[in-house]
This record gives sequence, C-alpha cells and structure tokens, in this order.
Amino acid sequence: EAGVAQSPRYKIIEKRQSVAFWCNPISGHATLYWYQQILGQGPKLLIQFQNNGVVDDSQLPKDRFSAERLKGVDSTLKIQPAKLEDSAVYLCASSSDPFKAFFGQGTRLTVV
Amino acid sequence: AQSVTQLDSHVSVSEGTPVLLRCNYSSSYSPSLFWYVQHPNKGLQLLLKYTSAATLVKGINGFEAEFKKSETSFHLTKPSAHMSDAAEYFCVVSDRASKIIFGSGTRLSIRP
Repeated sequence: EAGVAQSPRYKIIEKRQSVAFWCNPISGHATLYWYQQILGQGPKLLIQFQNNGVVDDSQLPKDRFSAERLKGVDSTLKIQPAKLEDSAVYLCASSSDPFKAFFGQGTRLTVV
Repeated sequence: AQSVTQLDSHVSVSEGTPVLLRCNYSSSYSPSLFWYVQHPNKGLQLLLKYTSAATLVKGINGFEAEFKKSETSFHLTKPSAHMSDAAEYFCVVSDRASKIIFGSGTRLSIRP
C-alpha cells in the first residue's frame, strides 16, 4: 500500500518568513498526526486530527502555527512567522487504529 | 496523563554483544507500548508493539521487549548486536484516545 506522503522534503527559509508543509495520509486512515522533532529529541505531538476535527492541539504554538485537514483527507501545517527555534523535522503520521501508525519521511525545516 | 522515559540517551555496545535499551512508562490506563527505530535520514520504522496480549513481544531484526506492569517498564533487548542496528530508538506509549507519545530517544552505537 502507498505510504504517508509529505512535501517538501527540505525547506530553508529566513526567520519571520512563512512556510507550509503538506501531508497526504494513507487512504482510509481517519487519524492524522503532526509531530515536531528537534535535533536530538523525540518527536513531539503538535496536533492530532480525527477525520477533519481536532482531537488534541495542546502543544501547538497557536500564535504562529496553524493546521487544517479539510475534507478529512490531506493536511497542511503552516508556520507564520518562523523563528530560529522552529528548525526541526516535521513528521506526519496516519492510522486507522492507535496500534498501527504509519509515518512519512518528514520535512526538514531550517530557519536561518 | 501518560508519559514515557527512556533512561539512557546513548548506549554503546560491541558487535555481537547483547543490547539493552531501557524504557519506563506512566499511564492512567492499560497502555499500548511500542518501540520505533529511526536510521539517519530515514523515516520511523515500527520494531514491535505490546497491546495487552503476551507480555514478551518479538519484533523485527531479532529485537524483543518485555512488558512488566509491576515495574512499569518495557525494555528493548537483542541477544547479539549487529553493525546495522546503529540508530536512534524511541519508546512510545499510546492510550485509548489514540494519543501517541514519544520518549526522548536512545542513540545506539555499535563498536566493531
């Protein structure tokens, strides 16, 4: 089966610029996750969707980060404006049950 | 609330010797527990999972883990390390709300 697709793979932006990441989950997976993985740390959950509704966004910095999942399929994560500390890999995952989540390759963001 | 603690940030073993990566968890409910591996510049790969069946779980590449409720532990082991095992390993806990929480990771190095 096709995996979780993310784009772009790499992005370099200057601080205070905006950036958007895209995720296309595995077909039929109702749950979609966005994680932020800073170098040397474990992935941190930013937001969890169930279909097109938000289940958990308690760790999403809402003053600069936003995410949407229109029509309950693909999703975008946006950062506006970016800060240096946002440099990280942004991972998208999807699942049809919590015991079997599939992860994308991630988008590596560098803010300079 | 649930959490997971990986007790070692870095473990180094010689090729052919046993591997032990330690993980303790905290969960209000009977948790599901996972180990993921992340090779450099690669996506996350599921090694094994515990979902309230057998307490000794066998995974891919010769890894296994034992769920010990009395010790709230889920340590990952392998009898004989191989050079290809060098990677970052994450212990992960999931609850009934499909929330997936990662530990901070353990970097495994293999000495020739």
